[in-house]
Amino acid sequence: GAVVSQHPSRVICKSGTSVKIECRSLDFQATTMFWYRQFPKKSLMLMATSNEGSKATYEQGVEKDKFLINHASLTLSTLTVTSAHPEDSSFYICSASGFGTSVDYNEQFFGPGTRLTVL
Amino acid sequence: GQNIDQPTEMTATEGAIVQINCTYQTSGFNGLFWYQQHAGEAPTFLSYNVLDGLEEKGRFSSFLSRSKGYSYLLLKELQMKDSASYLCAVMDSNYQLIWGAGTKLIIKP
Repeated sequence: GAVVSQHPSRVICKSGTSVKIECRSLDFQATTMFWYRQFPKKSLMLMATSNEGSKATYEQGVEKDKFLINHASLTLSTLTVTSAHPEDSSFYICSASGFGTSVDYNEQFFGPGTRLTVL
Repeated sequence: GQNIDQPTEMTATEGAIVQINCTYQTSGFNGLFWYQQHAGEAPTFLSYNVLDGLEEKGRFSSFLSRSKGYSYLLLKELQMKDSASYLCAVMDSNYQLIWGAGTKLIIKP
């Protein structure tokens, strides 16, 4: 199956700093990438959807100036949490859909997630 | 509004069969997904149904009835490693996933 990787898998940072999380599709072209945030014991919350080469579409309530998303190529999207605060501590998950050998456009492939802890 | 309902928690015995139900109301329908999620990890894809009927994949099967807005995930020959949360998600008319809150499945020896 298709593989999506995230880097880093875990990050700890000080309050006020910025953190960048990378999401890569390793063996297919990701035309669309999604960024999710998961709160403990709750389902994933979609933060934004990005199409390659376009500005991301943010869900209601998600601050686009705080969570900067870039999807400059068909294999890479980045989420930058700017001026991070302790309440931003969470598990961030990306997923991707697109085209490639044995990849169905309707299927989303999830990255392993990045656990962010802001001190 | 859009809504996905599934039971919060279920308990089953190792070696047995369990069925996890999911009902949905969404704006448009482009398929229903089941994911398995172990604590602290991202969900892993289990199945995708877009047409009515049963899809079988090893010990796991998924059923869909679009007219009823209903799906179930059937797990056979339960193993301890099947203890996890099972997420039902529907892809709406905008090709975005609407997620259920997940069903925590507890397997007892």
